[in-house]
Amino acid sequence: GNSVTQMEGPVTLSEEAFLTINCTYTATGYPSLFWYVQYPGEGLQLLLKATKADDKGSNKGFEATYRKETTSFHLEKGSVQVSDSAVYFCALGRARDDKIIFGKGTRLHILP
Amino acid sequence: EADIYQTPRYLVIGTGKKITLECSQTMGHDKMYWYQQDPGMELHLIHYSYGVNSTEKGDLSSESTVSRIRTEHFPLTLESARPSHTSQYLCASRLGAAETQYFGPGTRLLVL
Repeated sequence: GNSVTQMEGPVTLSEEAFLTINCTYTATGYPSLFWYVQYPGEGLQLLLKATKADDKGSNKGFEATYRKETTSFHLEKGSVQVSDSAVYFCALGRARDDKIIFGKGTRLHILP
Repeated sequence: EADIYQTPRYLVIGTGKKITLECSQTMGHDKMYWYQQDPGMELHLIHYSYGVNSTEKGDLSSESTVSRIRTEHFPLTLESARPSHTSQYLCASRLGAAETQYFGPGTRLLVL
């Protein structure tokens, strides 16, 4: 079946450090891939997505590239800020499926 | 910005009480979802709906029930709250053929 595995947290970095949060997936067919972010006290919101192989999603300085050969969708940011402290979820879905599959989430702490 | 609302945002209630968590969306989405989010952050799907008069149980067994009488409204009810129901509950929706899922801000429930 379909599944998503993302690196366990918490991840703690200093401000302006480079960020990578790993995500790999297992899926049949050609799913779309997502990163969602959850700030403290809020629901999840879409950060970026990619719908086919080699697509790069980007938003707010974050990027992720859909790598079919390695079944990965790693999240990266060149210089993190304290305001990026949140929980990040990798997810996959297909238009005809009823449910989106979420990873377990990675908590990110950015120290000033 | 997603137009999906949840009330109440916070609820403290005694054991044995009946409660209803409200969720509504103004985007005309046919699919709606309820997740339970534990302190470890992982999301657990407990109910979903394809459309009016359709409801399905999710991946995690739950003592709660849901109804979908109107497209925009998907309330969740606990007939008799217990301390084990203490959690955050997130409602979400998406349009059938599209894939991005939108989340409400969540309801934090504490059962004493």
